[in-house]
Amino acid sequence: EAGVAQSPRYKIIEKRQSVAFWCNPISGHATLYWYQQILGQGPKLLIQFQNNGVVDDSQLPKDRFSAERLKGVDSTLKIQPAKLEDSAVYLCASSYPRKGGSYEQYFGPGTRLTVT
Amino acid sequence: AQKVTQAQTEISVVEKEDVTLDCVYETRDTTYYLFWYKQPPSGELVFLIRRNSFDEQNEISGRYSWNFQKSTSSFNFTITASQVVDSAVYFCALRIPSDNYGGSQGNLIFGKGTKLSVKP
Repeated sequence: EAGVAQSPRYKIIEKRQSVAFWCNPISGHATLYWYQQILGQGPKLLIQFQNNGVVDDSQLPKDRFSAERLKGVDSTLKIQPAKLEDSAVYLCASSYPRKGGSYEQYFGPGTRLTVT
Repeated sequence: AQKVTQAQTEISVVEKEDVTLDCVYETRDTTYYLFWYKQPPSGELVFLIRRNSFDEQNEISGRYSWNFQKSTSSFNFTITASQVVDSAVYFCALRIPSDNYGGSQGNLIFGKGTKLSVKP
């Protein structure tokens, strides 16, 4: 079974530029998550989708970050314009929803963003 | 509020030593799930174990074992006879179950991680 795919793996941009990340979840996983992991910290949830609907985006900086999952499969996360503090690894994860919290999230390899 | 604390920022051991990674969690919910993930240098988070709040049985899987104690709100992870390949950052995480499938309360709350270095 193929895992969660992400691209690109690395990206370097200057501040105020725009950047987009792509994620393809495990086949059949209806729930998709984007996390931000700053160096030395644990991942922090940015947004959660259930199929193509947003379930939780309470920690997404909506003035500069946006995400979509148009057909309930692939997802893109965009930052526009980027700031220095956005330098981090952006992780995508997916899960097969079961009632309650017993499901595991499977993570992709992440995209390492450096903003200069 | 929910919180996960991993007090050990970095641990360094010599191969074949046993090592324990500590995890303390905070929640007022009576039903919750605890997880451990491994993050090797490649960056991908690898699921290791899930434990629900009603199951305090310790678990052993090969060289890995987990000690869950609700009385102290701890979920510690021990690696026996460590190997160089165990070198990674290890994260403990907490999830409060949601009422709906994949609901907003089902997110993982991670600790800051413990970096384990195993030297040959």
